Amino acid sequence: AQSVTQLGSHVSVSEGALVLLRCNYSSSVPPYLFWYVQYPNQGLQLLLKYTSAATLVKGINGFEAEFKKSETSFHLTKPSAHMSDAAEYFCAVSDRKRGNKLVFGAGTILRVKS
Amino acid sequence: NAGVTQTPKFQVLKTGQSMTLQCAQDMNHNSMYWYRQDPGMGLRLIYYSASEGTTDKGEVPNGYNVSRLNKREFSLRLESAAPSQTSVYFCASSGGQGLDYEQYFGPGTRLTVT
Repeated sequence: AQSVTQLGSHVSVSEGALVLLRCNYSSSVPPYLFWYVQYPNQGLQLLLKYTSAATLVKGINGFEAEFKKSETSFHLTKPSAHMSDAAEYFCAVSDRKRGNKLVFGAGTILRVKS
Repeated sequence: NAGVTQTPKFQVLKTGQSMTLQCAQDMNHNSMYWYRQDPGMGLRLIYYSASEGTTDKGEVPNGYNVSRLNKREFSLRLESAAPSQTSVYFCASSGGQGLDYEQYFGPGTRLTVT
C-alpha cells in the first residue's frame, strides 16, 4: 500500500531563506506525486505534480520539487521564502489503479519569520 | 466555473443528530472524494466514487454513508453524529478530459459535534 512520510511537522525559516520541506513515499507501482498547500481556513490548492515526465517539477509561486526514485523522495524547495508562503503543505501519492485515490502525509506547517 | 462547492461551511450538531454534507463540481469530472482533516493526521479518505453510479470505502468509512446523486453531486451523510466526527470535511474531484489525475478541493465544512 502507498504511504507518505513528511519529516518535520513544523518548519521555520527567515524571509529570504531557502525553504526545504521533506517528503518520502512508499509505492509498489510507479507513483504520481503531488504537493498541495493549504492557507488558513481554506481548501487545498495544487502546487505541483510529478507524473513521470520530468524528474524536476516546477510549480506555482516559485516552488519546485525533484523526484528521486533511488531515495523514494519528493522534497519541495523554494530558493527564497516570502511571508505569504506561511501555510500548511501536504505531500500526497496517488494510487492510479484504484480510482486515483490520494494518500496524504501528515502535513508540514511552514512559518516564515521577518 | 465555480469548481468544487460545499455546503454548509459550518455546522454544530449534538451527539446522535444526523446531517448531510453536500458537494457539487462543475468540471465534468468522473471521480469524487470525501476526506476528513484532523490536526497532525493529514487528510484521510472516507469514501470515494470513481465514476457515476459507483462508491467505495476509503480509509475511515465507519459512521458515514455517501450518495453519488449524479455526475456533479456527491453527498456525505452522518446518520448518528459522535464527538469523534468533529473535523473539517473536504470534498474533491478529479478526472476530467485526458487523464487528469490531480484533485480539486472544495473550501471545506467545519463540523463540531457536542
